[in-house]
Amino acid sequence: EAGVVQSPRYKIIEKKQPVAFWCNPISGHNTLYWYLQNLGQGPELLIRYENEEAVDDSQLPKDRFSAERLKGVDSTLKIQPAELGDSAVYLCASSHRASGSGNTIYFGEGSWLTVV
Amino acid sequence: GENVEQHPSTLSVQEGDSAVIKCTYSDSASNYFPWYKQELGKRPQLIIDIRSNVGEKKDQRIAVTLNKTAKHFSLHITETQPEDSAVYFCAASRDNYGQNFVFGPGTRLSVLP
Repeated sequence: EAGVVQSPRYKIIEKKQPVAFWCNPISGHNTLYWYLQNLGQGPELLIRYENEEAVDDSQLPKDRFSAERLKGVDSTLKIQPAELGDSAVYLCASSHRASGSGNTIYFGEGSWLTVV
Repeated sequence: GENVEQHPSTLSVQEGDSAVIKCTYSDSASNYFPWYKQELGKRPQLIIDIRSNVGEKKDQRIAVTLNKTAKHFSLHITETQPEDSAVYFCAASRDNYGQNFVFGPGTRLSVLP
């Protein structure tokens, strides 16, 4: 079974340019997460989806970040315009709702963004 | 909200020795505690987890202990090997549908040959 797939793996852009990241979760996983990971730090949640509904976007900088999960499967995270401080790894993760068993999350390889 | 602290931030051990990483959490309602290993440039991967209804769980050379009263849990790696070198993250979550995971800042483990 394929894991969480993300693209692109690496992206270098100039500041003020837009960038978009795509994520395909594990088949059947209805919960999708976007995490931000700065160098040497733990993942920090940006947004969490349950199916197509964003249920927790409190940490998403809404002035420049947006996300969507149309049809409750794939998701896209967009930054417009990008700033130097946005350089980080953007991790997508997914989990499956299973009654009584919790929701272990599985990560993708991440999209490494460098803003110059 | 939940806050997870992790110590130490870096840890160096000799091959064959044991390594212990400790985490504390703040939300007494958290009841699921996974540990992830992240090698350089790779995705975080689940290595072991524990739920609040048990105090200890072991999987070969890896074990996790949980003290709910004190709100801390620890990862124990015995007989360390060079391939154990990585960054380890603990996390805490409420074991309910769709709850968020809060991660610790990570521990960089180096196993010296």
